[in-house]
Amino acid sequence: AQSVTQLDSQVPVFEEAPVELRCNYSSSVSVYLFWYVQYPNQGLQLLLKYLSGSTLVESINGFEAEFNKSQTSFHLRKPSVHISDTAEYFCAVSEGGGGADGLTFGKGTHLIIQP
Amino acid sequence: NAGVTQTPKFRVLKTGQSMTLLCAQDMNHEYMYWYRQDPGMGLRLIHYSVGEGTTAKGEVPDGYNVSRLKKQNFLLGLESAAPSQTSVYFCASSFPGQASYEQYFGPGTRLTVT
Repeated sequence: AQSVTQLDSQVPVFEEAPVELRCNYSSSVSVYLFWYVQYPNQGLQLLLKYLSGSTLVESINGFEAEFNKSQTSFHLRKPSVHISDTAEYFCAVSEGGGGADGLTFGKGTHLIIQP
Repeated sequence: NAGVTQTPKFRVLKTGQSMTLLCAQDMNHEYMYWYRQDPGMGLRLIHYSVGEGTTAKGEVPDGYNVSRLKKQNFLLGLESAAPSQTSVYFCASSFPGQASYEQYFGPGTRLTVT
């Protein structure tokens, strides 16, 4: 069975500083990986995804994540954060099968941007 | 497009009461899902549906029932609410196949069972 570990429940950083949110997964087969973001009092939104191809994937708002198969990781990074990036970030994994049985989510990392 | 909507937004129940949460989507998605979100637990899949008239159990189905009578609606029922069901409930939908990995979420329903 697949599982996702987000190593930090909370990450405080200063505005304009770089940040890395860590995600490790376990699975016996090939996986698809995702980062979702949840802004306060809202539902989740897809931030970026890795399905195949280039192991470095980017979002439109400056986040990037790199799939590392040997380390079973999919860490999320941003070189310079903004106050508007304050949110809960969830890493998720799917083993395929059309995704019909949903995604397995990590417990989330609360990114706190300090002015 | 309204996307995914959930009704109600908030609800307080007494132990033993029943209620139904409604999820509606206007994107013609085949797949629909119900998750619950608890502090420090992330999201856990309760039930899902791959099409009208079909439902399946997820990771934490006990105490819940679902129905998908129309493609655009997915109902989550609590027959006899318990305090352990206090949570935020999210509905999501997606297209089938590889596109199903991009799930569209509703704004959530905050349920408190006293």
